[in-house]
Amino acid sequence: GDSVTQMEGPVTLSEEAFLTINCTYTATGYPSLFWYVQYPGEGLQLLLKATKADDKGSNKGFEATYRKETTSFHLEKGSVQVSDSAVYFCALLNTGFQKLVFGTGTRLLVSP
Amino acid sequence: EAGVAQSPRYKIIEKRQSVAFWCNPISGHATLYWYQQILGQGPKLLIQFQNNGVVDDSQLPKDRFSAERLKGVDSTLKIQPAKLEDSAVYLCATSQGTVLNEQFFGPGTRLTVL
Repeated sequence: GDSVTQMEGPVTLSEEAFLTINCTYTATGYPSLFWYVQYPGEGLQLLLKATKADDKGSNKGFEATYRKETTSFHLEKGSVQVSDSAVYFCALLNTGFQKLVFGTGTRLLVSP
Repeated sequence: EAGVAQSPRYKIIEKRQSVAFWCNPISGHATLYWYQQILGQGPKLLIQFQNNGVVDDSQLPKDRFSAERLKGVDSTLKIQPAKLEDSAVYLCATSQGTVLNEQFFGPGTRLTVL
């Protein structure tokens, strides 16, 4: 079945460091790909998405590019802030199965 | 615009007891989802409603879990009887149309079964 694999956390960075959180997927067909973020005490929020190969999703300084050849959707940010500390979830939507499949999440901790 | 509301936020029960969670969607959102998020794992879909009809409940343990969405608005998820492995955060999400539309998540209910 469809699945998403994320790098294990926590990822610990200093403010202004470069961030990469790896995400790879296994799916039949051509899924849409998402990054969700969960801040402490809050619900999941959609951060960005890409619906086809080579699409780049971006929001709040975060970017991810849909790479079909490597089945990857890595999340990047050039300069993280303390306020980016949260848990980040990669997810896919296979329109044939009509359900979101989430990875296990990666906790990011940014220190001043 | 008000977000998805859930209550209670926390619940502690003994095994074999029953428990119910409540979700109030964003106004006008036709589709409602219940997810189970076990510690260290990503959310897993339990059931999806379109208005007040069930679209997908293939991963709902129907011997102990039940859910309803009366009048296509609020929804309740019930567990009876609870087991230790039901300890998790239960998330409600809603979207305007089908699963192809963005899902908006509530803050979740953290359940601890002792």
